[in-house]
Amino acid sequence: DTGVSQDPRHKITKRGQNVTFRCDPISEHNRLYWYRQTLGQGPEFLTYFQNEAQLEKSRLLSDRFSAERPKGSFSTLEIQRTEQGDSAMYLCASSPRRDSQETQYFGPGTRLLVL
Amino acid sequence: SQKIEQNSEALNIQEGKTATLTCNYTNYSPAYLQWYRQDPGRGPVFLLLIRENEKEKRKERLKVTFDTTLKQSLFHITASQPADSATYLCALHRLSGYSTLTFGKGTMLLVSP
Repeated sequence: DTGVSQDPRHKITKRGQNVTFRCDPISEHNRLYWYRQTLGQGPEFLTYFQNEAQLEKSRLLSDRFSAERPKGSFSTLEIQRTEQGDSAMYLCASSPRRDSQETQYFGPGTRLLVL
Repeated sequence: SQKIEQNSEALNIQEGKTATLTCNYTNYSPAYLQWYRQDPGRGPVFLLLIRENEKEKRKERLKVTFDTTLKQSLFHITASQPADSATYLCALHRLSGYSTLTFGKGTMLLVSP
């Protein structure tokens, strides 16, 4: 088991472009989370999946953001019409169903820069 | 609304000393609290979890306390080493919605040789 992986690790894009990030959780982890982190801040919750079902979305997640986990394994986060304020580190985490205390295992993150 | 506060200024200590980091919260009664370590450019790594009915938890050189009356958790690293230099995040189980975490801003710890 290699842990949570994210791709790409870095992304530079121009304002107005669409970007998509991928997260591969630890195998057999049925819970998957997306967070956004800016400099000097802690991770901010964006959305949560249990298997393929998206059970919660933060108010931070505007209509330009969409996330999927079609087969209950990997997940994608898409940002449409990117804005400079979207520049941040996007973190994915997973946790196993048996862990009721929700210890989360984070990936290395995707750093997005919108020019 | 729920609020989590961690020391915003970096904590500088000398190698071998005990580092103590603070996490305070308001308007909130979490069932448990977690501490994570984050190195620059990397995702957070889980360190310790403490439940509301536990006052103290230890793991090697790490110790966490949880005072639900004061609404405070203290995170201690004894015999600190330069390799302990990182940002330490406090995270609380969210009160509403599904079981997800709310993180503090983190405190940067710098251990000098």
